[in-house]
Amino acid sequence: GAVVSQHPSRVICKSGTSVKIECRSLDFQATTMFWYRQFPKQSLMLMATSNEGSKATYEQGVEKDKFLINHASLTLSTLTVTSAHPEDSSFYICSARPMGGGRYEQYFGPGTRLTVT
Amino acid sequence: QKEVEQNSGPLSVPEGAIASLNCTYSDRGSQSFFWYRQYSGKSPELIMSIYSNGDKEDGRFTAQLNKASQYVSLLIRDSQPSDSATYLCAGPEGRGSTLGRLYFGRGTQLTVWP
Repeated sequence: GAVVSQHPSRVICKSGTSVKIECRSLDFQATTMFWYRQFPKQSLMLMATSNEGSKATYEQGVEKDKFLINHASLTLSTLTVTSAHPEDSSFYICSARPMGGGRYEQYFGPGTRLTVT
Repeated sequence: QKEVEQNSGPLSVPEGAIASLNCTYSDRGSQSFFWYRQYSGKSPELIMSIYSNGDKEDGRFTAQLNKASQYVSLLIRDSQPSDSATYLCAGPEGRGSTLGRLYFGRGTQLTVWP
């Protein structure tokens, strides 16, 4: 149980284009979904927190107009990297927090490796 | 101010030994903690959750929570080379927030050599 999928697993795009990443909780409904970024050999960095049907909360320093988050349902959140540049190349990971019972654990998707050329 | 601190590491142990990973936290109100394992190039995987003071055992893994000392640990018995990974400690942010975020430690890199 508690499986989170993420698509695509790997994407290469040209500078200036946009890329959409999907995150789905497959066997549970998620109160909240989170988007992280991780550069090689560095710690996880939380980018934003999203709840179904409401606007995402972005962490300080994360451009909301560049990283668009849509949380359409209790099982689906998407992250769109707009006008991507080489410095956006990174490992993007989503996680989902199950509904109910004051639970705080997060289950992570397998991640999306983005390379911008 | 960091909410969760992992200062130890990297850690290297021989196969079959006990690996001990430690974490301290600053929020006395925190009720739950989590240990994640992250293999190189992969996403984190939840391996242990602990919600109350004391020990929780799951197979070769034992999580310990000491609320008085604000200390969380993970013991891995009979360590295997396949346990070689980065281990992340995480705790929820303070009760004043409704976002439900987790604070992650920087991680401890564990190497188990045969």
